[in-house]
Amino acid sequence: SQKIEQNSEALNIQEGKTATLTCNYTNYSPAYLQWYRQDPGRGPVFLLLIRENEKEKRKERLKVTFDTTLKQSLFHITASQPADSATYLCARSNTGTASKLTFGTGTRLQVTL
Amino acid sequence: NAGVTQTPKFRVLKTGQSMTLLCAQDMNHEYMYWYRQDPGMGLRLIHYSVGEGTTAKGEVPDGYNVSRLKKQNFLLGLESAAPSQTSVYFCASSYPPGGLAEQYFGPGTRLTVT
Repeated sequence: SQKIEQNSEALNIQEGKTATLTCNYTNYSPAYLQWYRQDPGRGPVFLLLIRENEKEKRKERLKVTFDTTLKQSLFHITASQPADSATYLCARSNTGTASKLTFGTGTRLQVTL
Repeated sequence: NAGVTQTPKFRVLKTGQSMTLLCAQDMNHEYMYWYRQDPGMGLRLIHYSVGEGTTAKGEVPDGYNVSRLKKQNFLLGLESAAPSQTSVYFCASSYPPGGLAEQYFGPGTRLTVT
């Protein structure tokens, strides 16, 4: 089955540092990986999508990489701020009209002053 | 635009009772999804729809039914609630299909079955 694995332990980081979250997948490489942010008591919010043939994607302070050799995606937040504290979800999908997302359990990020 | 809305926000049911969760979206999206989120399990797909009048099973469909009579609405039904269905339920919509583009999520419904 298609699985997504994220570190369940919380990541604590100091303000201003770069936070790096890891997403590992099993079996065959997904066509797409997506990253979402989820705040307590709220629904996930989309951040970035990266395709299998893309190595890197950036959006403001966010950067996502996709390494099909390591079967891994890394999510970076540079110059992290306390407002970045949240749970970050990774999800994989394939192509097709019935394309669906398979989510990881998420990693909680805590940015302290 | 309200985006994706869900009603109710909270509900407590007794075992064996039934209820319907309503999801509405005003973005004219073709694709709609129902997920449940449990601690340590992540979001799991219950049912989904690729257009008005269509539904399909996801990863954990047992004990749930869905209907998509109108494009903007996607209903999730529990015919006989069980404690194992205690969870937070999220609805989402997208266009194009959910894996190819971002999904828009609702605020969630917290359901407790006693």
